[in-house]
Amino acid sequence: DQQVKQNSPSLSVQEGRISILNCDYTNSMFDYFLWYKKYPAEGPTFLISISSIKDKNEDGRFTVFLNKSAKHLSLHIVPSQPGDSAVYFCASQGGSEKLVFGKGTKLTVNP
Amino acid sequence: GAVVSQHPSRVICKSGTSVKIECRSLDFQATTMFWYRQFPKQSLMLMATSNEGSKATYEQGVEKDKFLINHASLTLSTLTVTSAHPEDSSFYICSASRGAWRDTQYFGPGTRLTVL
Repeated sequence: DQQVKQNSPSLSVQEGRISILNCDYTNSMFDYFLWYKKYPAEGPTFLISISSIKDKNEDGRFTVFLNKSAKHLSLHIVPSQPGDSAVYFCASQGGSEKLVFGKGTKLTVNP
Repeated sequence: GAVVSQHPSRVICKSGTSVKIECRSLDFQATTMFWYRQFPKQSLMLMATSNEGSKATYEQGVEKDKFLINHASLTLSTLTVTSAHPEDSSFYICSASRGAWRDTQYFGPGTRLTVL
């Protein structure tokens, strides 16, 4: 049973436009959510996080939105840049429990 | 800062042999290290959590006698896949954190294991 779902395996956007990556979760005990970015041949790197007491967290071009009632979070990248092309993983955590990852979404930003 | 290395990056071995994978935190002390496995088109799945100087905690369904984890220092953890079989072929990736609650996990680049 997959507790964290990223239903879009890939996304392609034009440079300068907004990229929106989506993630759904099923476990109501999750209260901390993270996004990781992964380039080929490298490990995932932490990008941004949000706790359940917030519904938005912003860091430069990256903003994460959390809709607790819908058990949905999204990552917005604006403006998108070619260097943002990578696989993005959503991860969730409840209490001190383990991180549960989605399968990832491959983002391609076209020049 | 917060760099984690893994060695080797790729290994091919014969069925029945053992393979050791090293995970090192290069510029910080990692109280806690994690080992994940990722099958093609699947998500990262946590195998075990190890704290320096103590036994690893394995996730349900992960055989501790098959996947031996040693976290002998604050900068090194090793995963040994004993008597490897083709079904153990996967991408193994470690992460390390300083150990504080919800501290960021820093990931290594991963090791591609192929068992023939």
